Amino acid sequence: KAGVTQTPRYLIKTRGQQVTLSCSPISGHRSVSWYQQTPGQGLQFLFEYFSETQRNKGNFPGRFSGRQFSNSRSEMNVSTLELGDSALYLCASSTRTSGAYNEQFFGPGTRLTVL
Amino acid sequence: AQSVTQPDIHITVSEGASLELRCNYSYGATPYLFWYVQSPGQGLQLLLKYFSGDTLVQGIKGFEAEFKRSQSSFNLRKPSVHWSDAAEYFCAVTGTYKYIFGTGTRLKVLA
Repeated sequence: KAGVTQTPRYLIKTRGQQVTLSCSPISGHRSVSWYQQTPGQGLQFLFEYFSETQRNKGNFPGRFSGRQFSNSRSEMNVSTLELGDSALYLCASSTRTSGAYNEQFFGPGTRLTVL
Repeated sequence: AQSVTQPDIHITVSEGASLELRCNYSYGATPYLFWYVQSPGQGLQLLLKYFSGDTLVQGIKGFEAEFKRSQSSFNLRKPSVHWSDAAEYFCAVTGTYKYIFGTGTRLKVLA
């Protein structure tokens, strides 16, 4: 079974631009969670989608948004990029939503650099 | 409040030496516990997990962890470290609440 895939793997943008990251979960997994990882803040939870509905959201500004499609693939969008958005963005999939004793499987991440 | 604490930010060991990475948690329900490893620039790979049953769990790459409910701990151990074990290690807990990660322990292995 194929693992979680994320595209693109690397991305360079400039301040003010917007970016869209994509995540394809493991086949059969309906939950997708997004995390931001930076050296100073560690792993920060962004949001989780389950069956096309946002189920949980972390403490990030409204510039960060996401969606999930009927095939469980998910996209994350960041508008009006700031230098501080430079990070590794990780996607994780699971069979059930968080709060249901589920195990998450992580993708390789997308490294976003904002100049 | 739910939390996971990894008190050691950095640990350095010599190749062949034993290793123990500490993890303490605070969780309001029965926890599921995990250890993940992350190589530089990569995603997180699951090393092992504890759901129930035997409190000593075996994982991949020769790692094991012991769940101690009385101490709210889930420490990761390896009897003999290899240079390829140099990475960052994350403890995580989940259950009826969302996934919570520790801040990670970066392991350096000396040849």
